[in-house]
Amino acid sequence: GAGVSQSPSNKVTEKGKDVELRCDPISGHTALYWYRQSLGQGLEFLIYFQGNSAPDKSGLPSDRFSAERTGGSVSTLTIQRTQQEDSAVYLCASSLGGNFQETQYFGPGTRLLVL
Amino acid sequence: AQSVAQPEDQVNVAEGNPLTVKCTYSVSGNPYLFWYVQYPNRGLQFLLKYITGDNLVKGSYGFEAEFNKSQTSFHLKKPSALVSDSALYFCAVRDRTSGTYKYIFGTGTRLKVLA
Repeated sequence: GAGVSQSPSNKVTEKGKDVELRCDPISGHTALYWYRQSLGQGLEFLIYFQGNSAPDKSGLPSDRFSAERTGGSVSTLTIQRTQQEDSAVYLCASSLGGNFQETQYFGPGTRLLVL
Repeated sequence: AQSVAQPEDQVNVAEGNPLTVKCTYSVSGNPYLFWYVQYPNRGLQFLLKYITGDNLVKGSYGFEAEFNKSQTSFHLKKPSALVSDSALYFCAVRDRTSGTYKYIFGTGTRLKVLA
């Protein structure tokens, strides 16, 4: 595709339910990143994939958060037993090969609201 | 610890006037520095980056930024602001010596250009 796509664009869920957020990176990009943007806050790094492996999971806030990437392409971020503080915009980004100099290209985000 | 500071939550400027959005950073080694812009309900868009070389970097939409190592700053500038420049601007840094591929983002500065 022409850019990074994310689905759903909006998700409303009840506290305690599980949610899955999907990211389709730019074709051919081997590096994939998840960030969280809370109201009034900067972007918070969650996890980085290079291919199917995740060498940096340091930003995942708790064990309720997990992510996987299959086939070196699509990634899914799963939040189990959602809490109200999980409400935020979740952004995915990809880059060509994970080189430090590379620009990351961001998707439009998934806006999650936990009631 | 690595960090990025954007000291102004909001910057107001009249259309046609020059604009500056401030960013300072703290990293342990030599940084890669980036500016991104976020329009309402859109993902982040890359504006420009400093990797090495000339301290004045030119980017998209007429924006430029000056890397100042002694002041650890990377302020974003534009000679003549447009109403359409109104958006949320993020500064980000990657520390090339730490081995991490993640961006460290500032909290963002909302630019409002007044007609």
